[in-house]
Amino acid sequence: GQQLNQSPQSMFIQEGEDVSMNCTSSSIFNTWLWYKQDPGEGPVLLIALYKAGELTSNGRLTAQFGITRKDSFLNISASIPSDVGIYFCAGQMNTGNQFYFGTGTSLTVIP
Amino acid sequence: DTGVSQNPRHKITKRGQNVTFRCDPISEHNRLYWYRQTLGQGPEFLTYFQNEAQLEKSRLLSDRFSAERPKGSFSTLEIQRTEQGDSAMYLCASSPTAGFYVYEQYFGPGTRLTVT
Repeated sequence: GQQLNQSPQSMFIQEGEDVSMNCTSSSIFNTWLWYKQDPGEGPVLLIALYKAGELTSNGRLTAQFGITRKDSFLNISASIPSDVGIYFCAGQMNTGNQFYFGTGTSLTVIP
Repeated sequence: DTGVSQNPRHKITKRGQNVTFRCDPISEHNRLYWYRQTLGQGPEFLTYFQNEAQLEKSRLLSDRFSAERPKGSFSTLEIQRTEQGDSAMYLCASSPTAGFYVYEQYFGPGTRLTVT
């Protein structure tokens, strides 16, 4: 299957700092989704991206659909303790078909 | 609660036993997906349904895995003759097939399977 590489693998930041993470693929995707997952729970959808170059915000979160359609980026501004969790990117090549998930970025926010 | 629900949340079984998990999607969603997630990894696609039709099942891990969605509403995932390697979180997601949000998949809380 397709492999999506996320970086960094983990981050330890101070509360109030901004966070940037990215996701890259060897394949072109038509849709990118970003999820946050807490331990023992299912992933929660944060942002959906549908068009190359698109920049979408959801509160303190901003995500971009890379112009090559092979990558996507997520930024979190002014991090807070509840931002702690694992962030996954997911890409879809065809409408309605499976999403391929990245390896995850683990975020720790130090108060 | 109008989200995706999954039951049970946790299942402990002995090797060789059969297990069945249930997923109830968001009521207006036609598509339903099953994923497996092992520790430290992202979810891995298994199969999906549009209404009662199973449109993709080549990714089911072996012939011990099967899924049904008989009336196009809830779905079940069955694992026969469980093995220790089947221990994982099994996630269900649903999405609509029309409208602006057609590409968005919403996940349930998952069923954690432990095979001893």
